[in-house]
Amino acid sequence: AQSVTQLDSQVPVFEEAPVELRCNYSSSVSVYLFWYVQYPNQGLQLLLKYLSGSTLVKGINGFEAEFNKSQTSFHLRKPSVHISDTAEYFCAVSNQGGKLIFGQGTELSVKP
Amino acid sequence: EADIYQTPRYLVIGTGKKITLECSQTMGHDKMYWYQQDPGMELHLIHYSYGVNSTEKGDLSSESTVSRIRTEHFPLTLESARPSHTSQYLCASSEYWGESDQSYTFGSGTRLTVV
Repeated sequence: AQSVTQLDSQVPVFEEAPVELRCNYSSSVSVYLFWYVQYPNQGLQLLLKYLSGSTLVKGINGFEAEFNKSQTSFHLRKPSVHISDTAEYFCAVSNQGGKLIFGQGTELSVKP
Repeated sequence: EADIYQTPRYLVIGTGKKITLECSQTMGHDKMYWYQQDPGMELHLIHYSYGVNSTEKGDLSSESTVSRIRTEHFPLTLESARPSHTSQYLCASSEYWGESDQSYTFGSGTRLTVV
């Protein structure tokens, strides 16, 4: 069975600092990986996805993630965060034709 | 503009009432999903549908039921609401069959409070 673990439930960071949100997955088959963002009182929005090819994936709002098969990780990074990046971030995994399985979420709090 | 709509956004209702949460999408997606999200917690799949007249239960057991009579419409019903049903319910849809691109489009959610 597939599962996703987000290693940090809360990440406080100052504005303009770099940030990394960690995600590890477990799966016995090929996986497809996603990061979603949820702003307060809203639904989820796709940030980026890894399906195949280059292991470094660039998404919206300056975020990027790197797929590391040997470490079964898909960490999300941004070199310089803004106040507007404050939100809940969800890592998710699916297999071919499967359903999305979400991690527990990481609350990113950007402080001035 | 293609999108996915959920109504109502907020609902406060008394115990024992029957409620229906609406979800509609204009993208012609075959696959639709309902997730339950408690505050500060992960999303749990409670129902999904791969097309008209197709509905399946998800990973988290739920007392709710769903129907899929039209491609664009995927309502969720609780016959008798209880305080334990208090949660946020998120509807989503996706386009592809058996392929890798499981990019879901989410609605804004319905925050349900049962008192």
